[in-house]
Amino acid sequence: DIQLTQSPSFLSASVRDRVTITCRASHDISGYLAWYQQEPGKAPKLLIYAGSILQSGVSSRFSGSGSGTEFSLTISSLQPGDFATYYCQQFKNYPYTFGQGTKVEIK
Amino acid sequence: EVQLAQSGGGLVSPGGSLRLSCVASGFAVDTYSINWVRQAPGKGLEWVASISSSSTYKYYAESVKGRFIISRDNAKKSFYLQMNGLRVEDTAVYYCARDECSEGTCYSDYWGQGALVTVSS
Repeated sequence: DIQLTQSPSFLSASVRDRVTITCRASHDISGYLAWYQQEPGKAPKLLIYAGSILQSGVSSRFSGSGSGTEFSLTISSLQPGDFATYYCQQFKNYPYTFGQGTKVEIK
Repeated sequence: EVQLAQSGGGLVSPGGSLRLSCVASGFAVDTYSINWVRQAPGKGLEWVASISSSSTYKYYAESVKGRFIISRDNAKKSFYLQMNGLRVEDTAVYYCARDECSEGTCYSDYWGQGALVTVSS
């Protein structure tokens, strides 16, 4: 199975900060990676797919980069609605594993 | 508008069974694979199972293989997760999600609202 390791697991930041979350894969997954945002009690929301393509309707403050085994999600200027948990997921091989999540909280 | 409406969660005793349903609207269901994903209380997301558009291919997480069965009825625009031999550790919110494939990759772009399954005596 392909393991995904996110870092950090927890991030404390302020409104308007720029933050970056990293997702490392145990095997080469090319660009088969998606990023999701999840608010408490809600279903995940797709932000980025194919490693770097912004999902329609998602703010351009979110961007993704990377390929192979190293990926990152950057939020250019944190807004109050961005304080949530973020997950990466690989679609290279079954099982479609997730990273353990990164919780972004208000400093 | 694409929507996935879930039903079927509830409280069940260990060893019991439950069937989750997911009804789609707003898209041609027979062209999409469907995933089931779960989230235990206070934990992260865990992929559970996937089914291809025509039911030809089915995949399961090791943790549920042999106990859960994924299926679909395209005529009814419905997807199902039959859960047998339930264990306490299967307690979670279960989500269905549409699997879109484009730009040479796949991703889950629409999700159901979730259904809570509690396994307890």
